[in-house]
Amino acid sequence: DQQVKQNSPSLSVQEGRISILNCDYTNSMFDYFLWYKKYPAEGPTFLISISSIKDKNEDGRFTVFLNKSAKHLSLHIVPSQPGDSAVYFCAADTSGSRLTFGEGTQLTVNP
Amino acid sequence: NAGVTQTPKFRVLKTGQSMTLLCAQDMNHEYMYWYRQDPGMGLRLIHYSVGEGTTAKGEVPDGYNVSRLKKQNFLLGLESAAPSQTSVYFCASSSQNGSPLHFGNGTRLTVT
Repeated sequence: DQQVKQNSPSLSVQEGRISILNCDYTNSMFDYFLWYKKYPAEGPTFLISISSIKDKNEDGRFTVFLNKSAKHLSLHIVPSQPGDSAVYFCAADTSGSRLTFGEGTQLTVNP
Repeated sequence: NAGVTQTPKFRVLKTGQSMTLLCAQDMNHEYMYWYRQDPGMGLRLIHYSVGEGTTAKGEVPDGYNVSRLKKQNFLLGLESAAPSQTSVYFCASSSQNGSPLHFGNGTRLTVT
């Protein structure tokens, strides 16, 4: 039972344009959501998070949107840069529980 | 500040062999985790620990054992390796429940 799903295994965008990565979840008890970025041969690194009491959180070029009614979150990167090319994982948490990760989306930003 | 360090980086085992993966963190974190990453399946939690001397099962614990004898170390053991355990293993730590995880760089394990 995949409670967190990233339906797009890959995404390719041009430098300077917007990248939108999507994530869907099924467990309505999730109350905290995170995005991690992973480069090859390295461990994932934390990027940005959002609590279920908010619908948007912004940090520089990165914005996460949460739509609780649709059980959907998205990560917007604007403008996209070649250094953003990586695998992006979304993850969800319930209070007192452990993170559940999605399958990941490979983002490629072309110069 | 090294963060989370995993050893070894690579290992090849024959079916039935045993090994221990080592994880060390220097951030004085209470929580530590072992994940495996497989193609198309994201990161799946194997075992975790909420403090020295405690361990708990995650999503995919079968075939693995763990120990947390010291706060800074979390060991993952494979008693009898199987080809299905071929994967990339990541250790992570966090200061408290709900805090972002800090990951090591992974151990790539191949079981033939």
